[in-house]
Amino acid sequence: AQTVTQSQPEMSVQEAETVTLSCTYDTSESDYYLFWYKQPPSRQMILVIRQEAYKQQNATENRFSVNFQKAAKSFSLKISDSQLGDAAMYFCAYAGNTDKLIFGTGTRLQVFP
Amino acid sequence: DAGVIQSPRHEVTEMGQEVTLRCKPISGHNSLFWYRQTMMRGLELLIYFNNNVPIDDSGMPEDRFSAKMPNASFSTLKIQPSEPRDSAVYFCASSLIGQGVNEQFFGPGTRLTVL
Repeated sequence: AQTVTQSQPEMSVQEAETVTLSCTYDTSESDYYLFWYKQPPSRQMILVIRQEAYKQQNATENRFSVNFQKAAKSFSLKISDSQLGDAAMYFCAYAGNTDKLIFGTGTRLQVFP
Repeated sequence: DAGVIQSPRHEVTEMGQEVTLRCKPISGHNSLFWYRQTMMRGLELLIYFNNNVPIDDSGMPEDRFSAKMPNASFSTLKIQPSEPRDSAVYFCASSLIGQGVNEQFFGPGTRLTVL
């Protein structure tokens, strides 16, 4: 069975600095998708970025980028120029041959001014 | 697009009462997912539908929980009778399966409190 592990329960960063959130996963599938979702205090789950496993190029969305290491089964999220509005829970998620998303336990990110 | 719509946003009820949570997926999406989020267990998938048919309900905790999707634009999650341990945030999500990326769009959630 596939698993997703987020080993950092909490992280903090100063405004305008860069922070990296870690995620590792385990799977025997070769084709899959990986996602980072953001959950601010409003509880809304917001898709931040996604990565197709067959693509070698790391996905980027404005200040958000990933470091996808397929062999190592690692999928970290880098937030550049952190803003106060980035404070939230961040969930890493995996989607393989089934339609289901498998979520990690989340990392709470605090942003200090 | 209005996104995934859930109602009610908040529900407070007493133990033993029936609770019904509602979800309207994004128009055109063919799959719908019900999740439960608690501090202790994180995000759990309860059940999901594809083309209105339940595909996997292995996450439904017990017989007190039931879900239906009578048509492509509406789904309900019912708890009868409710218990305090059912207190959680319940999310509905929808996606368009079969178009490559299994991206799920989440509703705002229903915070359920069972006293």
